[in-house]
Amino acid sequence: NAGVTQTPKFRILKIGQSMTLQCTQDMNHNYMYWYRQDPGMGLKLIYYSVGAGITDKGEVPNGYNVSRSTTEDFPLRLELAAPSQTSVYFCASSYLNNEQFFGPGTRLTVL
Amino acid sequence: DAKTTQPTSMDCAEGRAANLPCNHSTISGNEYVYWYRQIHSQGPQYIIHGLKNNETNEMASLIITEDRKSSTLILPHATLRDTAVYYCIVSAHAGNNRKLIWGLGTSLAVNP
Repeated sequence: NAGVTQTPKFRILKIGQSMTLQCTQDMNHNYMYWYRQDPGMGLKLIYYSVGAGITDKGEVPNGYNVSRSTTEDFPLRLELAAPSQTSVYFCASSYLNNEQFFGPGTRLTVL
Repeated sequence: DAKTTQPTSMDCAEGRAANLPCNHSTISGNEYVYWYRQIHSQGPQYIIHGLKNNETNEMASLIITEDRKSSTLILPHATLRDTAVYYCIVSAHAGNNRKLIWGLGTSLAVNP
């Protein structure tokens, strides 16, 4: 199993550009999550999903959108990139409890 | 708001046991104690979790006090590769409190 994969690994965006961060898991997990982590800080939950077709907001959802059309994929969309969205983004998945499996992260810089 | 309190940093000698404390005095009856770690620049890694009994797996042991207001993660024989930030999190398995709320964790340095 590849586990949780994320693409791209790195990205530099200009203010106002849009992009989609991809996340795929091959463990048939029903729960998936998007977090962001600013330097020296803990993770903040952006959005999560309890199954295909169901998503909900986390602590810091503003400026982001998600969709969950399949069990495997949970893409995160940034519509109008802002410098405040410079961060490391982690995707995670879990089965029933909170034993979450994390991807390697996407390092995003908005200039 | 994080519902746990951990020391900011700790040191441990290689080969010795690392004991990482966590206070969670407002833990609810249905909330579990989870431990994760994050090695520099990598995604967090699940270590162990428990409700009220002590737990042990191949990575670590988790000791939860009888009143459940605090716990200790024990790495029995720390190695240099255990240098990481360790997060203690309380979370339910269902309902609004099932989400993980991450604090700043304890930065553990294992020294040769």
